[in-house]
Amino acid sequence: GENVEQHPSTLSVQEGDSAVIKCTYSDSASNYFPWYKQELGKGPQLIIDIRSNVGEKKDQRIAVTLNKTAKHFSLHITETQPEDSAVYFCAARNYGQNFVFGPGTRLSVLP
Amino acid sequence: DAGITQSPRYKITETGRQVTLMCHQTWSHSYMFWYRQDLGHGLRLIYYSAAADITDKGEVPDGYVVSRSKTENFPLTLESATRSQTSVYFCASSSGTGRTTEAFFGQGTRLTVV
Repeated sequence: GENVEQHPSTLSVQEGDSAVIKCTYSDSASNYFPWYKQELGKGPQLIIDIRSNVGEKKDQRIAVTLNKTAKHFSLHITETQPEDSAVYFCAARNYGQNFVFGPGTRLSVLP
Repeated sequence: DAGITQSPRYKITETGRQVTLMCHQTWSHSYMFWYRQDLGHGLRLIYYSAAADITDKGEVPDGYVVSRSKTENFPLTLESATRSQTSVYFCASSSGTGRTTEAFFGQGTRLTVV
């Protein structure tokens, strides 16, 4: 089955700096890769996603890149702000319609 | 209320008791999922359902039972709760139109088994 790895597990950056979180997946059949942000006491919320026929997608300060050959995708947050502090999860979706999640990255943006 | 709701938000139960966590969505999404979230393990799939009366096991199904008689509801039952089932449980739903649609999560149920 699908396996998703995510690094780093924790990340601290200064406000205004960039943050990068990387994920790898194992199943070449996966074709949808969402990123979720989870704030304390809340359920995960989608922040950006990318499909297998696209190499990069950007939404304001957030971007995601996908390398299907290498089976990895990354989340890039520029000009980080304190409200970006949260746990971020990557996921991959396969033919079975299941989402397989990475273990999460705790991002802290220091003022 | 529109969206996906879980109840209760918090539950404390004793070892050996049966407990049911409720999940309701108003979008008529085909797919529904139950995940548990534990420190160091991220989100692990317990069960999922592709449509009413269709359910299948995920990564960690032992000790859990699900049913889906109506599209909008997907209850999760712990038949005989154990301390290892102390966790935060998230329900999610997703449209069935293709494989490339996001999952929407509920607010979670924090379950403590004592």
